[in-house]
Amino acid sequence: GAGVSQSPRYKVAKRGQDVALRCDPISGHVSLFWYQQALGQGPEFLTYFQNEAQLDKSGLPSDRFFAERPEGSVSTLKIQRTQQEDSAVYLCASSLRGSGGTYEQYFGPGTRLTVT
Amino acid sequence: RKEVEQDPGPFNVPEGATVAFNCTYSNSASQSFFWYRQDCRKEPKLLMSVYSSGNEDGRFTAQLNRASQYISLLIRDSKLSDSATYLCVVRVSNYQLIWGAGTKLIIKP
Repeated sequence: GAGVSQSPRYKVAKRGQDVALRCDPISGHVSLFWYQQALGQGPEFLTYFQNEAQLDKSGLPSDRFFAERPEGSVSTLKIQRTQQEDSAVYLCASSLRGSGGTYEQYFGPGTRLTVT
Repeated sequence: RKEVEQDPGPFNVPEGATVAFNCTYSNSASQSFFWYRQDCRKEPKLLMSVYSSGNEDGRFTAQLNRASQYISLLIRDSKLSDSATYLCVVRVSNYQLIWGAGTKLIIKP
């Protein structure tokens, strides 16, 4: 079956520009996660959705970052007024269960954002 | 100090050799433990969960020492296709995973 998909795969933005990154999770997956991965580092947690509810946004680096999942499936991560330090790979992951169970997170291929 | 620490490597290992990676974590309340594999410019994929009693999956063996807050991964009879970055991952809540920076492994023919 189809895995997690993300678009665009690559994005070059000029500093100050707004960007929107899309994630299509595996159909039926309750949980959705966004991570930021800098070069040579592991993924860093940004935010977590259970269905349409954003249960944790503690990892969002600043108020320029905003995520939504209005219908409990597709999610969008928006970054306003991009800065060079926002350059990273943004990974989306989904899992079947909600909180309380052990589960595997399935990752999309990521969006590589470069801010010039 | 990072919550999950790994030797970044790279580990350069001849094909057929055995190689081991270690990982330490700082949160004693950590609930579950995993090894993920990440190929260059690809997404992470689950390699195996790590259980307290230790577990094996083919050529891969994972061990957990809760007292020392230490996790290990052993790869026997290494293959060229094992070349990747291996990420140690700790679950600290019902949903939140904390990731190490990864250990890079290069298998040479």
